[in-house]
Amino acid sequence: NAGVTQTPKFRVLKTGQSMTLLCAQDMNHEYMYWYRQDPGMGLRLIHYSVGEGTTAKGEVPDGYNVSRLKKQNFLLGLESAAPSQTSVYFCASRWDPTDVGKLFFGSGTQLSVL
Amino acid sequence: DQQVKQNSPSLSVQEGRISILNCDYTNSMFDYFLWYKKYPAEGPTFLISISSIKDKNEDGRFTVFLNKSAKHLSLHIVPSQPGDSAVYFCAASTNSGYALNFGKGTSLLVTP
Repeated sequence: NAGVTQTPKFRVLKTGQSMTLLCAQDMNHEYMYWYRQDPGMGLRLIHYSVGEGTTAKGEVPDGYNVSRLKKQNFLLGLESAAPSQTSVYFCASRWDPTDVGKLFFGSGTQLSVL
Repeated sequence: DQQVKQNSPSLSVQEGRISILNCDYTNSMFDYFLWYKKYPAEGPTFLISISSIKDKNEDGRFTVFLNKSAKHLSLHIVPSQPGDSAVYFCAASTNSGYALNFGKGTSLLVTP
């Protein structure tokens, strides 16, 4: 059981380049999330999804887009990367709201934008 | 505005002693609180939680205390072990909320 898998683990981009981060979970979870972690800032929610075909904005959505075409996958896109998007990105999932709070996290993607 | 606050960025404790990590929150609608533990190069993992209807929850060496009137919770680790060295995140949610609000984290170092 792999849990939550994020690809890639590391990436370096130049300003203005685009990329997509992939999150895959094999636990049949309904809810999926993208967080970013920055030094001194904790974990901040970018976007989330409450089911296949749905997405919603979190605390810091600007500059990012997401898609949930399949239940097991949640994609995070950067259309035109900026240095301010240098961060560690974590994907997470959980079964439903009644399982309050127990998120399962991936191991993260370290992104550097030069 | 940060709704979950961890005001101590770091804490150093000797092995065998008690570690106390603190967390404050501002949103009175929160009714579920959690602690996550994070090692370098790994994702956070769930550690322990507490519902607002309780004031204490214990799991082995880990105990979480909740003081709703003060909007404060704390995580006690007794006895502390070197393997407990990690970043600890406090998080909160409403029962109907879709996502967790995280604090900035406290880096715990347990020295032999």
